[in-house]
Amino acid sequence: AQSVSQHNHHVILSEAASLELGCNYSYGGTVNLFWYVQYPGQHLQLLLKYFSGDPLVKGIKGFEAEFIKSKFSFNLRKPSVQWSDTAEYFCAVNAQLRGNTPLVFGKGTRLSVIA
Amino acid sequence: KAGVTQTPRYLIKTRGQQVTLSCSPISGHRSVSWYQQTPGQGLQFLFEYFSETQRNKGNFPGRFSGRQFSNSRSEMNVSTLELGDSALYLCASSAGLAGMVDGELFFGEGSRLTVL
Repeated sequence: AQSVSQHNHHVILSEAASLELGCNYSYGGTVNLFWYVQYPGQHLQLLLKYFSGDPLVKGIKGFEAEFIKSKFSFNLRKPSVQWSDTAEYFCAVNAQLRGNTPLVFGKGTRLSVIA
Repeated sequence: KAGVTQTPRYLIKTRGQQVTLSCSPISGHRSVSWYQQTPGQGLQFLFEYFSETQRNKGNFPGRFSGRQFSNSRSEMNVSTLELGDSALYLCASSAGLAGMVDGELFFGEGSRLTVL
């Protein structure tokens, strides 16, 4: 079964700093990749997704992620974070197999942006 | 349109009891997925239902069960509750199968279960 690793449990950044959150998955075949975000007091919501094509995908609020197949990674980036980016970020992977496989989430990375 | 609705939002049970949680998906969505969220483990997949059929099941004991009705509403049940079952139980609906092209998950606010 596939698994997802998020290397950082808690990241603290100052406003305007650059952000990179790591995500690695274990499945060796074709995958669909996602980042979800949970802002304080809000529902989990989709930030961006990758199915195929350009490995650099852009999402909402200036976030982007790069799929590197050789490294089994799908890292999330943002050039300049804002206080409003304070949230918990979850990477999720779905293996493309015959039949449906579950969407598996990582344990999440909490981002705190300080002024 | 209305989002995913989960009831009850909060509940307290004692060990050995059983609990049933309910989820009403977004209108038109045919898939409902359930996750257990805890601070140390993140989101752990419980099961996914699509058109009343269980499509996938996570690595949880048989005490955890679920079902989906013809109107796509779903329930999950936990029997013989244990202290470790204390968690936020999240329901998410999607138009298609979760993780697929039409499978963007829309999450509810969750049902927070405390087992004493």
